[in-house]
Amino acid sequence: AQSVTQLDSQVPVFEEAPVELRCNYSSSVSVYLFWYVQYPNQGLQLLLKYLSGSTLVESINGFEAEFNKSQTSFHLRKPSVHISDTAEYFCAVSPVGAGSYQLTFGKGTKLSVIP
Amino acid sequence: EAQVTQNPRYLITVTGKKLTVTCSQNMNHEYMSWYRQDPGLGLRQIYYSMNVEVTDKGDVPEGYKVSRKEKRNFPLILESPSPNQTSLYFCASMEAGSYEQYFGPGTRLTVT
Repeated sequence: AQSVTQLDSQVPVFEEAPVELRCNYSSSVSVYLFWYVQYPNQGLQLLLKYLSGSTLVESINGFEAEFNKSQTSFHLRKPSVHISDTAEYFCAVSPVGAGSYQLTFGKGTKLSVIP
Repeated sequence: EAQVTQNPRYLITVTGKKLTVTCSQNMNHEYMSWYRQDPGLGLRQIYYSMNVEVTDKGDVPEGYKVSRKEKRNFPLILESPSPNQTSLYFCASMEAGSYEQYFGPGTRLTVT
């Protein structure tokens, strides 16, 4: 079984400041890693994913996350946030191999960007 | 437009009155899933389906039923709703091998 810990439930940050949303996971097998974003009153959207290859993955809107196997982490970063980044962010994992479509989510981090 | 639709979006009902939340996708995805979202708990999977007539339990299946008679539809059935099923429900679908789930807009259910 897998588990995901998002260390901060809420993160306030000023506009144009950098931000890091932390995610750690626990698993006895190799995993795929994901970040989903939920804007107010909407469903979730995939922000970025790590399946294999380069441990640094990027999204089209400036977010990046780095898979660190030794620390079992997949932290999400953005060097300069915008008001439009205000949303809830969910880290998720799924096992490689059997059951690989089954996502286990963290409890979410609410990012509030302050003008 | 590629999308996952859910109906109804909002529902208030009473304990014990059977209800169905519909989910439909127009992307010909093989995989579909239901989640519930509760404050401070994140999303938890209720049931999933790998294809037509193939369904399986997720992490919190008690009190729910599903069926997958057609590829595009995956209804969630609460035969005897209880107040602890008050939640925000999301349906999702995914093309096999893509590892990107597409979520519907959500159904907010209140059981009194």
